Amino acid sequence: GESVGLHLPTLSVQEGDNSIINCAYSNSASDYFIWYKQESGKGPQFIIDIRSNMDKRQGQRVTVLLNKTVKHLSLQIAATQPGDSAVYFCAENAGGGYQKVTFGTGTKLQVIP
Amino acid sequence: DVKVTQSSRYLVKRTGEKVFLECVQDMDHENMFWYRQDPGLGLRLIYFSYDVKMKEKGDIPEGYSVSREKKERFSLILESASTNQTSMYLCASSKAGGPRDTQYFGPGTRLTVL
Repeated sequence: GESVGLHLPTLSVQEGDNSIINCAYSNSASDYFIWYKQESGKGPQFIIDIRSNMDKRQGQRVTVLLNKTVKHLSLQIAATQPGDSAVYFCAENAGGGYQKVTFGTGTKLQVIP
Repeated sequence: DVKVTQSSRYLVKRTGEKVFLECVQDMDHENMFWYRQDPGLGLRLIYFSYDVKMKEKGDIPEGYSVSREKKERFSLILESASTNQTSMYLCASSKAGGPRDTQYFGPGTRLTVL
């Protein structure tokens, strides 16, 4: 199996409940943030992004909240499904060059049927 | 549909071998990237390229080189593999236009160096 999920914080959620995955970032100059989902054996997949001039953005069953004051980002998944089980990580971009993106280490989401 | 492919899913090599990891994208993207992913460390950028024959060092280029002879192909080379290069290697691509463009990832190559 994949070792990318080892040593990661794990969130266990009952199927149908809402999930909240948190991410703290350190660079106050970061102005663009992305959430990725990585399923076992696959590469990261883009979920949703948000610019620093926004504090909330919604997608299909997902919402990203940005709190610049405390440099915190969260991903909310509504009505969590077994297919949502994966590692989720945030990425921040402070601009200033080609694709200077910094990735977090991730949170493993386990959905309990 | 966006597609990034990597030549191998699993690879086992011996210390000192020369290793080639290939990545191909079919989206006509200008930018391509190589990352390695290790438990507890997240994704770390090795090299990236923003055009054919152009390359830039990322955060951890030591022990690696790259080649971009064609727009769709970006190769990562380990000149002399070492055990500390055992890792998951991820390739990504994005279209030109600045740092906010979404990166699309391949499935990854899990390399084990014995």
